[in-house]
Amino acid sequence: DTAVSQTPKYLVTQMGNDKSIKCEQNLGHDTMYWYKQDSKKFLKIMFSYNNKELIINETVPNRFSPKSPDKAHLNLHINSLELGDSAVYFCASSHRQGIGYTFGSGTRLTVV
Amino acid sequence: KNQVEQSPQSLIILEGKNCTLQCNYTVSPFSNLRWYKQDTGRGPVSLTIMTFSENTKSNGRYTATLDADTKQSSLHITASQLSDSASYICVVISYNNNDMRFGAGTRLTVKP
Repeated sequence: DTAVSQTPKYLVTQMGNDKSIKCEQNLGHDTMYWYKQDSKKFLKIMFSYNNKELIINETVPNRFSPKSPDKAHLNLHINSLELGDSAVYFCASSHRQGIGYTFGSGTRLTVV
Repeated sequence: KNQVEQSPQSLIILEGKNCTLQCNYTVSPFSNLRWYKQDTGRGPVSLTIMTFSENTKSNGRYTATLDADTKQSSLHITASQLSDSASYICVVISYNNNDMRFGAGTRLTVKP
């Protein structure tokens, strides 16, 4: 199936832990994104990579670090997790011109 | 099959002209529908939020319509400006766990 797949779908972890969320797309897109869904269900962009190059880096804590080993993957690593990090995180990809957005199904992160 | 279908995939219009973007969905049960504008290199901006009982909602030159019976929404842009050039993404939220379903977006280019 052609898609954007992100894993895990659910992640429950304790404060202070380090965790990663993986994202892979097999659509041949050259741009990938990470979004955070806020408490009112609005999307906030966190990072965007184009061909492994960081092009958007919104104001997010340094504890969040994206890693793009190749243009088909954009992983999100989070250090020292805090309660406020609990949210749904969406990965997406598109062509560079912003055509053909495809979103993953989301990762629901719960920090306890 | 994607539960949210947008058309056209891309659109080029002249400055000052009007245009209409379409969003058809099969998401059920329906909670609300949101139109986002995302410029290349920037994060998404929420334009409108439509609930089941709302037929029309305006935000400046943007007017969104919703027909919950036919599960169709449109975004009408009046007197387009060069700054309207962006991707417009339709997002439908379900009552089932507040799941979000995304359209692939319409890439709008406004030319002088």
